[in-house]
Amino acid sequence: NAGVTQTPKFRVLKTGQSMTLLCAQDMNHEYMYWYRQDPGMGLRLIHYSVGEGTTAKGEVPDGYNVSRLKKQNFLLGLESAAPSQTSVYFCASNVMSSYEQYFGPGTRLTVT
Amino acid sequence: GNSVTQMEGPVTLSEEAFLTINCTYTATGYPSLFWYVQYPGEGLQLLLKATKADDKGSNKGFEATYRKETTSFHLEKGSVQVSDSAVYFCALTSMDTGRRALTFGSGTRLQVQP
Repeated sequence: NAGVTQTPKFRVLKTGQSMTLLCAQDMNHEYMYWYRQDPGMGLRLIHYSVGEGTTAKGEVPDGYNVSRLKKQNFLLGLESAAPSQTSVYFCASNVMSSYEQYFGPGTRLTVT
Repeated sequence: GNSVTQMEGPVTLSEEAFLTINCTYTATGYPSLFWYVQYPGEGLQLLLKATKADDKGSNKGFEATYRKETTSFHLEKGSVQVSDSAVYFCALTSMDTGRRALTFGSGTRLQVQP
């Protein structure tokens, strides 16, 4: 039981490049989330999903897209990276009946 | 909307000192309250939770009581250890939001010196 895993762990992009961050969970959780963590600001919700095939915007969705084609995977895409997207990205998940979220180890992204 | 306010850090303590990290919140409805801990280089782990007023969450010697009258959920530990050095996040979620996403405070870094 691996819990929540994230790929990659680190990445450096140039402005304008694109990439996809992968989150996978093996706990059969319905809900999945993408957060970004910036110094002094806690974690902010980017997008979330309440089930396979469904996604919705969170607090700071601009510049990101997401997809949930399979229940266990939640992808976060950056189509044209900007320096303001330099951050640590966390994925989380939980079952429908609980508020307790399980977090992945994070992806540190630097955009130059 | 929902919001969480935490005391700013870093908080620096000597080993075996008493710890308090203040957390207050604003929320509609009846939120559930959480403390998460982030050790260096790792993701967040749930430390404790409380789901209704006057509940006390506890884990690993840490405690926090859900005080609806003061909208607070302060984290306490009677005797900290070097291994408690981490960043602590207060968070809430409310059924009213319909999505169960967490609203986080900005985090408080705790440094415990031997």
